[in-house]
Amino acid sequence: EPEVTQTPSHQVTQMGQEVILRCVPISNHLYFYWYRQILGQKVEFLVSFYNNEISEKSEIFDDQFSVERPDGSNFTLKIRSTKLEDSAMYFCASKSRTYEQYFGPGTRLTVT
Amino acid sequence: KNEVEQSPQNLTAQEGEFITINCSYSVGISALHWLQQHPGGGIVSLFMLSSGKKKHGRLIATINIQEKHSSLHITASHPRDSAVYICAVGLGGADGLTFGKGTHLIIQP
Repeated sequence: EPEVTQTPSHQVTQMGQEVILRCVPISNHLYFYWYRQILGQKVEFLVSFYNNEISEKSEIFDDQFSVERPDGSNFTLKIRSTKLEDSAMYFCASKSRTYEQYFGPGTRLTVT
Repeated sequence: KNEVEQSPQNLTAQEGEFITINCSYSVGISALHWLQQHPGGGIVSLFMLSSGKKKHGRLIATINIQEKHSSLHITASHPRDSAVYICAVGLGGADGLTFGKGTHLIIQP
């Protein structure tokens, strides 16, 4: 069964460093998403991507964040200068034209 | 902005009990999702509903669009059902989901 994959599973970085989180969505899906979950809190929407551009973004997704789909398979989230409060689990999701989103296993980002 | 409320926040039950988790939301939606999150953190989609009722094994999900309310039921609960169950709603298209805080379910043997 096709699935969304994410790498790395755990990333540790120092404050101020740039990180890139990678996702491989399901191959025939058209919509792509990033969400984050700070430890002990609910999952929050960051950004959606469709037709090679950002469709919607939340107030969390400020200038420190960017997304790219550099080739036909990868979907990346870049954080330019990480802060302690960026420590969270980051989930990628994708979907076809139906409503159901498929989630990846997540990347745990720890900023020290 | 949609507000998603789940109840209860925590639920401990004995194996075999019938479990109900509730979700309400404030603004009309295109679809509601029930998700399961295990301690390792991964999220698994259980159901996506836009109307009526769906059943998968021991899990049943219902939605009442007029009342903006959904329930997730687990019949004959088992310790392996222990997880966090999350309700999330969306408008479809590229719209991101809005999540509830989750219900932490523990089923004791």
